Amino acid sequence: KAGVTQTPRYLIKTRGQQVTLSCSPISGHRSVSWYQQTPGQGLQFLFEYFSETQRNKGNFPGRFSGRQFSNSRSEMNVSTLELGDSALYLCASSPDSVSSGNTIYFGEGSWLTVV
Amino acid sequence: DAKTTQPPSMDCAEGRAANLPCNHSTISGNEYVYWYRQIHSQGPQYIIHGLKNNETNEMASLIITEDRKSSTLILPHATLRDTAVYYCIVRAYGGATNKLIFGTGTLLAVQP
Repeated sequence: KAGVTQTPRYLIKTRGQQVTLSCSPISGHRSVSWYQQTPGQGLQFLFEYFSETQRNKGNFPGRFSGRQFSNSRSEMNVSTLELGDSALYLCASSPDSVSSGNTIYFGEGSWLTVV
Repeated sequence: DAKTTQPPSMDCAEGRAANLPCNHSTISGNEYVYWYRQIHSQGPQYIIHGLKNNETNEMASLIITEDRKSSTLILPHATLRDTAVYYCIVRAYGGATNKLIFGTGTLLAVQP
């Protein structure tokens, strides 16, 4: 069974540009979450989608947005990039959003460097 | 804020058992204990989770104290490839979210 797939794995953008990252969850998983990891702040929750609806959102500015498609694939977008947005962006998937002890699986992440 | 406390780093000799402690003194009755690890530059890898009973799988064992205020992850025979940051996370049962709150974790260094 394929794991969580994130694309692209590495990318470099210039300040002020925007970026879109893609995540394909494990087959059958309906919940997709996004996290940002930086050396200074560690792993921080961005948002979660379930059945194309955002169910939870972390404390990030509105420049960070996401969406989920009917096939559960998800994208996140960061507009007006800042140097501080350089980070590893991780996608995680889970079978559903309301379940006892269901396991969350992570992808390998997308490394974004803003110059 | 994370609801767990872990030592920042630990060493373990290759081939020996690695015992990683986690304190979660404010855990609620409906919260599970999850363990993940992250090898440098990779995504977090799920290891194991439990509610109140001890759990074992092919990767590790999880020992939860009777009062559930602390737990220990045991890697029975550590190898160099087990060198990673290990995260202990508490997560609500049946909550309407899959949000995980990560702390700073424990950097386990397995020494040859």
